[in-house]
Amino acid sequence: AQTVTQSQPEMSVQEAETVTLSCTYDTSESNYYLFWYKQPPSRQMILVIRQEAYKQQNATENRFSVNFQKAAKSFSLKISDSQLGDTAMYFCAFMTLGNIFGTGTRLKVLA
Amino acid sequence: EPEVTQTPSHQVTQMGQEVILRCVPISNHLYFYWYRQILGQKVEFLVSFYNNEISEKSEIFDDQFSVERPDGSNFTLKIRSTKLEDSAMYFCASSEPPGEQYFGPGTRLTVT
Repeated sequence: AQTVTQSQPEMSVQEAETVTLSCTYDTSESNYYLFWYKQPPSRQMILVIRQEAYKQQNATENRFSVNFQKAAKSFSLKISDSQLGDTAMYFCAFMTLGNIFGTGTRLKVLA
Repeated sequence: EPEVTQTPSHQVTQMGQEVILRCVPISNHLYFYWYRQILGQKVEFLVSFYNNEISEKSEIFDDQFSVERPDGSNFTLKIRSTKLEDSAMYFCASSEPPGEQYFGPGTRLTVT
C-alpha cells in the first residue's frame, strides 16, 4: 500500500527567508505523480507544484521548487523568499487514481 | 479560468438524515473524485468516478455512501444515514485523464 509521510507537523520561517518542508512516500509503482497542496485558513485546496516521477528534472514554480529523489522516495518542497501569504497547511500527495495525502505541515511565516 | 464548484458551502443535518453534496466539475474533465477532511486531520480519498462508474474507492466509502452523475454537469455524493463522525469538510475534485486534480472549495458538513 502507498503511504505518504510528513514528519514536520509545524514549522515557522521569517519573512523573506527560505524553508524546506519534507515528505517521504512508499510505493512499488514506477510511474506516478507527486504534488504539494497548500491549504490556507479558508480550507481551499490549492495546487502548489507537481512532479512526474519519470522526469528527473526537479519541478520549479516561481518561488516554489522541489527536490525529488526517486530512489530515496523523497519529495521535499522549498519555498524561497517566504511571504506572509505563504502561511498555511501544506500537504504532500502521491497520486494513483485518488490522491494519498500526508498529514500536513503547518507553516507559519513570521513578520 | 474554469473551476470546480460545490454546493452548499455549509450543510447542517441531524444524525440519521440523508444528505446530498453537489459538485460541478470542470466541463471537459473526465475523472471525478470525492475527498473528506475531518477537522485538523489530513485529506482522505473517498472515491473516484469515470465513465459513469466508480473506478476506485477507499475503505471509508462504505454502503452509507453513494455517488452519481445525474446529468452532464453535476456530480453528487450521498450519505444515506449520517453519523456524528461524518462531520467533515468534503472536497470534490476533477481531472482530465489522470493527472492534476482541481479541487472545489469544499462543503462543510456538520452532523448534530
